Amino acid sequence: SAVISQKPSRDICQRGTSLTIQCQVDSQVTMMFWYRQQPGQSLTLIATANQGSEATYESGFVIDKFPISRPNLTFSTLTVSNMSPEDSSIYLCSVYLTDSGNTIYFGEGSWLTVV
Amino acid sequence: GDSVTQMEGPVTLSEEAFLTINCTYTATGYPSLFWYVQYPGEGLQLLLKATKADDKGSNKGFEATYRKETTSFHLEKGSVQVSDSAVYFCARGTSPGSNYKLTFGKGTLLTVNP
Repeated sequence: SAVISQKPSRDICQRGTSLTIQCQVDSQVTMMFWYRQQPGQSLTLIATANQGSEATYESGFVIDKFPISRPNLTFSTLTVSNMSPEDSSIYLCSVYLTDSGNTIYFGEGSWLTVV
Repeated sequence: GDSVTQMEGPVTLSEEAFLTINCTYTATGYPSLFWYVQYPGEGLQLLLKATKADDKGSNKGFEATYRKETTSFHLEKGSVQVSDSAVYFCARGTSPGSNYKLTFGKGTLLTVNP
């Protein structure tokens, strides 16, 4: 498995502001992903972030709202831009490990509340 | 498209009761199947997985068997504990060969009372 650390773990944000979430992995991984979990809901994939290429966004998510960086094989950031209360969610970073049986592992999540 | 349907919760059981949480998936190809658990205030943890038909995943007393004929991956535990109280998510790889993208069910909240 991998140790996946996210910062911040929690934050309360003002509407209209932007917040960048960091994800650090303790090993080099090719594929990283960002998921959103809205209150009481399941997880929805936002985008795939592979090092050396532009992030690939799922339907309903756009780069202007959720810009992603992937500068190296152990780190990624997700920015939630121009936040509104509807963006209040848990944002989870995840990685795909082929040397652990082709499995996806998750960070502990960043719990954002927009007021 | 790909989807996962989970038994609606919440589920409330007494300690040492038998647990079943039903999960079915759409049968496009032969995806890997997963159960993740989310304890209160924490992120997701992989509980168990199965990668092909008839495989049984198991961990911490939980089991689930990949049933191709019924497109199911039901989670079971013979005797639950208070510490098993959590939200359980069933998930499938999005498509064959693309198990790095997951489609999740809506989650089932389990509460185990002493």
